Amino acid sequence: EAGVAQSPRYKIIEKRQSVAFWCNPISGHATLYWYQQILGQGPKLLIQFQNNGVVDDSQLPKDRFSAERLKGVDSTLKIQPAKLEDSAVYLCASSLGWTTYNEQFFGPGTRLTVL
Amino acid sequence: KQEVTQIPAALSVPEGENLVLNCSFTDSAIYNLQWFRQDPGKGLTSLLLIQSSQREQTSGRLNASLDKSSGRSTLYIAASQPGDSATYLCAVSPTGANSKLTFGKGITLSVRP
Repeated sequence: EAGVAQSPRYKIIEKRQSVAFWCNPISGHATLYWYQQILGQGPKLLIQFQNNGVVDDSQLPKDRFSAERLKGVDSTLKIQPAKLEDSAVYLCASSLGWTTYNEQFFGPGTRLTVL
Repeated sequence: KQEVTQIPAALSVPEGENLVLNCSFTDSAIYNLQWFRQDPGKGLTSLLLIQSSQREQTSGRLNASLDKSSGRSTLYIAASQPGDSATYLCAVSPTGANSKLTFGKGITLSVRP
């Protein structure tokens, strides 16, 4: 079974530029998560989708971050404009369902460096 | 608000040693607790998941225990190997509907040959 796919794996941009990350979840997984992991910290949930609807985006900085999951499969996370403090690893995860007993499976992450 | 703490932040041990990694959480109303491994530059690999009704889970040389009442979990690694060197994170999910995970900062383990 293929795992969660993410691209690109690495991205370097200048502050105030825009960037987008892509995630393809495990086939059949209805729930998709985006986490931000700053160096030395644990991952922090940014947004959670159930199919193509948002379940939780309480920690998403909505003035600069946006995410969509069209057709309930792939998802894109965008940052516009980027700030230095956005340098982090962005992890995508998926699970069969959104309720608490569903185990999450993580992708390899995208490492973003903002200069 | 749930807070998850892992102390120390880093640990170095000689190969072959048995070791214990600790995780504590402030809100005992959890549904499950998971231990993850993260290698440098990589994503998270799930090691063990303990449901709140369970006391422990085992996989190979790994054993994780959960004490909800005291808000603690331990990950025991037997006969450590250099290949065990990685960052180990614990995460809890709440009771109720949402599967949102709250993570600790992780413990970076180095096993010296």
